[in-house]
Amino acid sequence: AQKVTQAQTEISVVEKEDVTLDCVYETRDTTYYLFWYKQPPSGELVFLIRRNSFDEQNEISGRYSWNFQKSTSSFNFTITASQVVDSAVYFCALSEPNDYKLSFGAGTTVTVRA
Amino acid sequence: EAGVAQSPRYKIIEKRQSVAFWCNPISGHATLYWYQQILGQGPKLLIQFQNNGVVDDSQLPKDRFSAERLKGVDSTLKIQPAKLEDSAVYLCASSLDGTGYEQYFGPGTRLTVT
Repeated sequence: AQKVTQAQTEISVVEKEDVTLDCVYETRDTTYYLFWYKQPPSGELVFLIRRNSFDEQNEISGRYSWNFQKSTSSFNFTITASQVVDSAVYFCALSEPNDYKLSFGAGTTVTVRA
Repeated sequence: EAGVAQSPRYKIIEKRQSVAFWCNPISGHATLYWYQQILGQGPKLLIQFQNNGVVDDSQLPKDRFSAERLKGVDSTLKIQPAKLEDSAVYLCASSLDGTGYEQYFGPGTRLTVT
C-alpha cells in the first residue's frame, strides 16, 4: 500500500504566484517523521524540513511554509511568491520507527515560468 | 562540511555487464542508505547500513545486487549482471543514525543499461 500520496503530478505557475503541494500519508504508528525534499534539475535531493508526529505547529522558513494536520494525515507545503529557481520535483516522505527508512511519494513537478 | 560524495556520476554499460558505484558519507554519520530512483518515480530504498552492519536489505535484488560498507565508512554497490530494467539513478544518503534524523543525499550515479 502506498504510504505517501502526492496526488498532484505537475503544477505550473507564473512567477510570484503561490503554489501549494499536497501530501497525504498513511501509518499505524503514533511516532513518525515527515520530510520534504527538493530535487532540482541537477538531480541532487535537497533536504527541506523534518517534522515529528508530536509537533503539529506550522512552520515558516522564508518563502516556504508547511501545514501539518494529523486529523487529516496531511503535511502540505506552500511556496509563497514563487521564483524560477523553485522549479524542481518536490518529494514528501515518511519515516516510521520500525525501520526509519524513507518512504517517498511519487513527487510533484513544479514549473515556475518567468 | 563536505556532503555525500558519489562516483561515477554517469555510467553506460551493456546488459549482462557488471558495474560498481562508490559512496563516501558525511563524516560522523553512522547510517548509510542506497536508493534506486527510476525516472518519474520517488527513490526506493535498496539497502540500509548502520555502521558496518546491514539493517534492511529486503528490497535488494540479491541475485544480482550486492553492497558492502567496510570499516563503517565508504560503501560500494555492485550490480552483476546488469539488466535493462536496472537503468536508473542510484542515490547514496547518510544520516547521523537511523532513528528518524534527516538523510542527506549525494548527487547520484545515473546508470544506463543498453
